[in-house]
Amino acid sequence: GAGVSQSPSNKVTEKGKDVELRCDPISGHTALYWYRQRLGQGLEFLIYFQGNSAPDKSGLPSDRFSAERTGESVSTLTIQRTQQEDSAVYLCASTHRDRAPDTQYFGPGTRLTVL
Amino acid sequence: GIQVEQSPPDLILQEGANSTLRCNFSDSVNNLQWFHQNPWGQLINLFYIPSGTKQNGRLSATTVATERYSLLYISSSQTTDSGVYFCAVDSGFQKLVFGTGTRLLVSP
Repeated sequence: GAGVSQSPSNKVTEKGKDVELRCDPISGHTALYWYRQRLGQGLEFLIYFQGNSAPDKSGLPSDRFSAERTGESVSTLTIQRTQQEDSAVYLCASTHRDRAPDTQYFGPGTRLTVL
Repeated sequence: GIQVEQSPPDLILQEGANSTLRCNFSDSVNNLQWFHQNPWGQLINLFYIPSGTKQNGRLSATTVATERYSLLYISSSQTTDSGVYFCAVDSGFQKLVFGTGTRLLVSP
């Protein structure tokens, strides 16, 4: 597609439920990133996928968070047993790391509210 | 890890005014991007500028890599420039570290 897309755009869930967020990167982009943005704050890195390499999970805040990506396509971020502090906007970005410039392009985000 | 500081944190301008936003970073970088986050939350790429100077319409940016800072210039500001401006850097670990942003309000 023309840009990075994410779904759903908004998600309201109850504390303790699991949620799954989806990201469709720009076609042909080899790298995909997930970030979290809490209200009024900057973005925090969560996880990075590059091609078929092992993902960099160093930003995941707890073992309740996990993400998958199949090849160079769609990625899903899963949050298990959601807590109120998980409420945030979750943003996905993609880039073609093998081609300069290494510019990350962001999707519109998923706003997650945990009640 | 690398630290990114942005100033000022908040800025209020009259339409037509010029402004300069600053980003300081604590280590050498191989990627620096400026973003505008509009009131609907969408992050829009403004510049990819690990060094040098670029211009795009009323916006321009300069990064002095040896002194570890970048500047974003907005000239003849418009109400549509309102939002949050983020500087983000990559020091070689393939992920962007974001500053806390400058919140800009341009009033008519």
